[in-house]
Amino acid sequence: QVQLKESGPGLVQPSQTLSLTCTVSGLSLTSNSVSWIRQPPGKGLEWMGVIWSNGGTDYNSAIKSRLSISRDTSKSQVFLKMNSLQTEDTAMYFCARGVHGLFDYWGQGVMVTVSS
Amino acid sequence: DVVLTQTPVSLSVTLGDQASISCRSSQSLEYSDGYTYLEWYLQKPGQSPQLLIYEVSNRFSGVPDRFIGSGSGTDFTLKISRVEPEDLGVYYCFQATHDPPTFGSGTKLEIK
Repeated sequence: QVQLKESGPGLVQPSQTLSLTCTVSGLSLTSNSVSWIRQPPGKGLEWMGVIWSNGGTDYNSAIKSRLSISRDTSKSQVFLKMNSLQTEDTAMYFCARGVHGLFDYWGQGVMVTVSS
Repeated sequence: DVVLTQTPVSLSVTLGDQASISCRSSQSLEYSDGYTYLEWYLQKPGQSPQLLIYEVSNRFSGVPDRFIGSGSGTDFTLKISRVEPEDLGVYYCFQATHDPPTFGSGTKLEIK
């Protein structure tokens, strides 16, 4: 049974760095790619980036300079780090299996609020 | 970035009736390999999105045949025949032809 679960701090101060973890079960990160997708409150979805099954990464150009995605295959975990957070980064953050689409398994999401 | 414009923004449908959602792209979504990477997702209230349709018209595993995707180029449609209570939520189109992948703004389906 494939499962993904996001975890991380619910509150981050402006200008600080966000660190999130996506813990997966039922699939191997060496043969599956995982994307991060976010959704501001009451708004639509934004694809942020992906870590490929081979460990390579691809990021949305809009946030590329602030974003880093990595993984620990031994722990079945994928990490998101995004720096220089602003209030507009307040959102639900999801991890999902898939690269550029075909997101067939999603985590429940973790809400992140950027506020002082 | 490719902009996907969905209409209508919201839709109120009687149970058993048909619903139709349009997704118009600012660029053609046909890729050089001949495939069109246009997908549809449904986000039910309080849940994560779920994949319904991929490559314009292919239903994902377990998706009822009431959901029908069609279109080409820049114009795409999702039709839901015989709407059921579990169909309510926000529908998003999504394109993966052009980088970065982008989602439409969403269409909220309500049941009358």
